[in-house]
Amino acid sequence: GAGVSQSPRYKVAKRGQDVALRCDPISGHVSLFWYQQALGQGPEFLTYFQNEAQLDKSGLPSDRFFAERPEGSVSTLKIQRTQQEDSAVYLCASSSSTETSTDTQYFGPGTRLTVL
Amino acid sequence: QKEVEQDPGPLSVPEGAIVSLNCTYSNSAFQYFMWYRQYSRKGPELLMYTYSSGNKEDGRFTAQVDKSSKYISLFIRDSQPSDSATYLCAMSVNYKLSFGAGTTVTVRA
Repeated sequence: GAGVSQSPRYKVAKRGQDVALRCDPISGHVSLFWYQQALGQGPEFLTYFQNEAQLDKSGLPSDRFFAERPEGSVSTLKIQRTQQEDSAVYLCASSSSTETSTDTQYFGPGTRLTVL
Repeated sequence: QKEVEQDPGPLSVPEGAIVSLNCTYSNSAFQYFMWYRQYSRKGPELLMYTYSSGNKEDGRFTAQVDKSSKYISLFIRDSQPSDSATYLCAMSVNYKLSFGAGTTVTVRA
């Protein structure tokens, strides 16, 4: 079966440009997460959706970062006025239930963003 | 200081050796402990999941949790070249995973 997919896989942006990163979770998965993974580091939590509701956005590094999941399936992470420190791999994960403490998070391959 | 500390390695072992990986943590509220494997240019995939202190075994993999010492370990027996990857420890209180930096392991044929 299909796993979590993300597009584009690679994105190069000039400093100051806006970017949009897409995540297609596993079909039927209720919970969706975004993480940021800097080079040589582990993923860092950004935000969490339960269906279309954004329940936690405490990890978003600045107000330039915005995420949405309007119909409770596909999600988009938008970064406005990109800066060089935004260069990282952005990972999306989904899980099947709202019992997120014990439910496995399945990760997509990530989008590698490079800001020049 | 980060909540989860993990030696990034790299670690290089011959095929068939035992690989030993570990993490320490500072947040005593963590209840769930996981090990993920991440191949180059791929997302992390869950290897092992434990809830309580003690050992959990799954094939060639053994996970240990010592909550009193705030220390978790992963052992890989009879390591294979296909085990070459970055191994990330992760832990959580609820839905928010806190990861270590990852240890890069190479198993030499």
